Amino acid sequence: DTAVSQTPKYLVTQMGNDKSIKCEQNLGHDTMYWYKQDSKKFLKIMFSYNNKELIINETVPNRFSPKSPDKAHLNLHINSLELGDSAVYFCASSRAGDTQYFGPGTRLTVL
Amino acid sequence: QQQVKQSPQSLIVQKGGISIINCAYENTAFDYFPWYQQFPGKGPALLIAIRPDVSEKKEGRFTISFNKSAKQFSLHIMDSQPGDSATYFCAASSAYSGAGSYQLTFGKGTKLSVIP
Repeated sequence: DTAVSQTPKYLVTQMGNDKSIKCEQNLGHDTMYWYKQDSKKFLKIMFSYNNKELIINETVPNRFSPKSPDKAHLNLHINSLELGDSAVYFCASSRAGDTQYFGPGTRLTVL
Repeated sequence: QQQVKQSPQSLIVQKGGISIINCAYENTAFDYFPWYQQFPGKGPALLIAIRPDVSEKKEGRFTISFNKSAKQFSLHIMDSQPGDSATYFCAASSAYSGAGSYQLTFGKGTKLSVIP
């Protein structure tokens, strides 16, 4: 069984569109995260979400909004997509302070 | 400001050799130091991790060496194999302290190629 899953795996869209990436974990973890990996492979935290408390990274544009319908899901919605948003987005989950388990990633390409 | 500096950016090692990747951190509040391995098209996967109460941790062919006073830690891969070829990331995080808690700060990664 997949521990952390993301859909879609690939997402190609035009500038200005709005898109969502879904993430689900079946590990019973209480904390979930979104990371962005740029073309140079640099991984950077975007958000963490713990027991309904959202920790927002100040460098993330407010076009990005995470939504958590329940503890097992953390979706990422992106408004008005820009060329610079092209990257691989990873969802991860953990028990608070413990090992983070990453999903397979969603490669977003903005044309 | 990059809080975790990783070197080298790329590394080529002969099969059977030792691969060494180094990281240095700035934030003295960091108390958890994992290494992640990432294969192309996959998500990062935890390889091995250490907390600062020990200076070394070994799991199979993988060893973390930790120097708290120097704020440095390194990954040693003994008897490197072609299957070890991947990108390796060091990371650091600190215990919960409010906003930004539990978030991993990653190094920029090292692409390891093990040649037969």
